[in-house]
Amino acid sequence: DQQVKQNSPSLSVQEGRISILNCDYTNSMFDYFLWYKKYPAEGPTFLISISSIKDKNEDGRFTVFLNKSAKHLSLHIVPSQPGDSAVYFCAASARMDSSYKLIFGSGTRLLVRP
Amino acid sequence: GAVVSQHPSWVICKSGTSVKIECRSLDFQATTMFWYRQFPKQSLMLMATSNEGSKATYEQGVEKDKFLINHASLTLSTLTVTSAHPEDSSFYICSALGLGGGNTIYFGEGSWLTVV
Repeated sequence: DQQVKQNSPSLSVQEGRISILNCDYTNSMFDYFLWYKKYPAEGPTFLISISSIKDKNEDGRFTVFLNKSAKHLSLHIVPSQPGDSAVYFCAASARMDSSYKLIFGSGTRLLVRP
Repeated sequence: GAVVSQHPSWVICKSGTSVKIECRSLDFQATTMFWYRQFPKQSLMLMATSNEGSKATYEQGVEKDKFLINHASLTLSTLTVTSAHPEDSSFYICSALGLGGGNTIYFGEGSWLTVV
């Protein structure tokens, strides 16, 4: 049962344009959401996060939008740069069964074309 | 930002032997650490959650006697793969949640394990 889903395995965008990566979740107990960027053979790097009490968080070129009613979040990167090419994972967290859970989506591979 | 260090970054071991991977939070105290495993072209899979001073909570399907997790201090957690087999070859990643709240989790660099 996939609680966090990234339905697009890959995305290709022209340099300078906007990249939009999407993520859906099923568990209403998730109260914090994070985006990570990952290069091959490296650990994920934290990008940006958002609490469930907000619907938008912006940090430089990165903006995360949260739609709680739709259980959907998205990461916008604008303008996209070739160095942004990587795999992006969304993650959702919550306290469940007396422990802290962080559940990842399957990732979306972003390619920014020069 | 916060730094989590993982060691070794890669290790090769013989089938049947045990190998230990360390995860350290370098500039903060980590009450909770997580261990993930990633197969090629697949998502990160949570193996277990460890809280300092208590037993780890393992995810369904993860053998706790095979993947021993010790979180002896607020800055160190270890994962020991016991009696390793070739199918245990994978990329293992740890992450840490800081003391005092905040939900941001930082990851180590990952460790490649190859069992021959």
